Amino acid sequence: AQSVTQPDIHITVSEGASLELRCNYSYGATPYLFWYVQSPGQGLQLLLKYFSGDTLVQGIKGFEAEFKRSQSSFNLRKPSVHWSDAAEYFCAVGVKSGYALNFGKGTSLLVTP
Amino acid sequence: SAVISQKPSRDICQRGTSLTIQCQVDSQVTMMFWYRQQPGQSLTLIATANQGSEATYESGFVIDKFPISRPNLTFSTLTVSNMSPEDSSIYLCSVGSGGVGNEQFFGPGTRLTVL
Repeated sequence: AQSVTQPDIHITVSEGASLELRCNYSYGATPYLFWYVQSPGQGLQLLLKYFSGDTLVQGIKGFEAEFKRSQSSFNLRKPSVHWSDAAEYFCAVGVKSGYALNFGKGTSLLVTP
Repeated sequence: SAVISQKPSRDICQRGTSLTIQCQVDSQVTMMFWYRQQPGQSLTLIATANQGSEATYESGFVIDKFPISRPNLTFSTLTVSNMSPEDSSIYLCSVGSGGVGNEQFFGPGTRLTVL
């Protein structure tokens, strides 16, 4: 069965520092891959997605993610974090169009001054 | 993208009662999904609701506890029945984009507290 692992439950970074959030998936083929962000009291917002083509994908708010098939990973990065990036980040996997997504447990990002 | 609204945004209920959550989409969609997010946890799929057919429930969720209606292509309801404190969660509906890649859009969620 497909699974999604986000190894880091909490991450703290200083404002202006770079960020990398890890995501690993388990699935026999290349799944559809997503990163969502959930700010306190807010719904989920899609940051970016990958399902084919260029393995480095650009998203909103300055985020990017790289799909590495050999490592079954889809890590999220941002070169310079802003205080407003503090939120919960979820990696999700979809195996087939029209089917529900399988979410990782999430990584809580804290940004310090 | 789809714009999704949910009602109520939050509620506090007594154990043993039921609450119906509404999900409205601004466009016609085939696939709608209901997720639960327990405090401090990730999202867990409750069921998939397609218009014109019975909802499909995931393991651990049953129709008697979480009845779902899908009367048309823009609307769905989820009822949480005979509530207990363990049902305190955020309930989110989502819709599929219908295109390649299965992008999903989420409503703002309904925060339910059961006393």
